[in-house]
Amino acid sequence: KQEVTQIPAALSVPEGENLVLNCSFTDSAIYNLQWFRQDPGKGLTSLLLIQSSQREQTSGRLNASLDKSSGRSTLYIAASQPGDSATYLCAVRMNYGGSQGNLIFGKGTKLSVKP
Amino acid sequence: DAGVIQSPRHEVTEMGQEVTLRCKPISGHDYLFWYRQTMMRGLELLIYFNNNVPIDDSGMPEDRFSAKMPNASFSTLKIQPSEPRDSAVYFCASSLVLGTNYERYFGPGTRLTVT
Repeated sequence: KQEVTQIPAALSVPEGENLVLNCSFTDSAIYNLQWFRQDPGKGLTSLLLIQSSQREQTSGRLNASLDKSSGRSTLYIAASQPGDSATYLCAVRMNYGGSQGNLIFGKGTKLSVKP
Repeated sequence: DAGVIQSPRHEVTEMGQEVTLRCKPISGHDYLFWYRQTMMRGLELLIYFNNNVPIDDSGMPEDRFSAKMPNASFSTLKIQPSEPRDSAVYFCASSLVLGTNYERYFGPGTRLTVT
């Protein structure tokens, strides 16, 4: 059974710092991996999606990497800002016969960027 | 597009009452998902539809839960009778099978409190 783990559960950094959020998964047979942001009381916003054949994806100050064989992904945030404060979730989609349903989430890392 | 729309945003009800949550997916998306989020269990997939047909309901916790998708632009999740342990945030999401992307878009959620 696939398990997705995100460590740490919470992180507090001063504004301007570069930071890395970690995601690990137990079953490497994934189709893709997606990073989401969730603001308090809001839904999830997709940040980056990495296909299993890719090593990384970049969007602005965000860079997500994927090492499928070791079951790890990282989300790098450069020059953090208070507006980056949110919970970041990673989710893996399993490669089970094209099943759309199997998007398995970690419990997230709650990031706080202090001004 | 307005994104995935959910209603109501907040629902407070007494134990034993029927609760109906509503979702309008992004126009043109052919997959619709219902998730539940709690502090203890994180995000869990309850059920998903493809072209209005339920594909996998193995995540539905009990017979008290039911979901329908009468047409491509509307879905409901019903809980009857509701119990305090059903209190959670319920998210609807949709996606389009375009190439091999499968990116998933989430609504803002319905926060359900059962007293």
